[in-house]
Amino acid sequence: AQSVSQHNHHVILSEAASLELGCNYSYGGTVNLFWYVQYPGQHLQLLLKYFSGDPLVKGIKGFEAEFIKSKFSFNLRKPSVQWSDTAEYFCAVKGGYSTLTFGKGTMLLVSP
Amino acid sequence: SQTIHQWPATLVQPVGSPLSLECTVEGTSNPNLYWYRQAAGRGLQLLFYSVGIGQISSEVPQNLSASRPQDRQFILSSKKLLLSDSGFYLCAWSVDSQETQYFGPGTRLLVL
Repeated sequence: AQSVSQHNHHVILSEAASLELGCNYSYGGTVNLFWYVQYPGQHLQLLLKYFSGDPLVKGIKGFEAEFIKSKFSFNLRKPSVQWSDTAEYFCAVKGGYSTLTFGKGTMLLVSP
Repeated sequence: SQTIHQWPATLVQPVGSPLSLECTVEGTSNPNLYWYRQAAGRGLQLLFYSVGIGQISSEVPQNLSASRPQDRQFILSSKKLLLSDSGFYLCAWSVDSQETQYFGPGTRLLVL
């Protein structure tokens, strides 16, 4: 069975700080990887995804993530966060024909 | 473009009462449909998914059931609610099982 681990439940940063949210998964085969974001009071929405090809994936709002197969990781990064990035971030993995499995989420609070 | 609707947005129900949450998708045909429950600090738990009318797969045995009476309609039900059924319920759709899932606004259920 596949699983996803997000290292931090809560992260607090000041504006302009760099961000890296950790995500590790366990699955022995080919995977599709996702980061979703849920802004306060809004729908859960897709931030970026990796299916194949370039392991460095760029998403909306300046976010990017790097798939490192040897480390079973898909960390989310942003060089300079803004107050509007305050949200909950979910990593998710889909292996083979299995259903999507989500991590427990990381709540990011950016102080102005 | 595709849109997904859920109602009601918020629901307060007494223990032992029945439940019916509805999800509809517009702008696509024969979508895969999903019901998740989101709990604080626990991520998203897949409850049911459906690949077609009348086809329901249950991921977690519990007090809830799902039905898909029409192509773009997915209903989450219970005959008798428990306190533990309180939570935030999300509906999602995808083009097929290999593709990205898109989420609705959710229904917050409080069982008293």
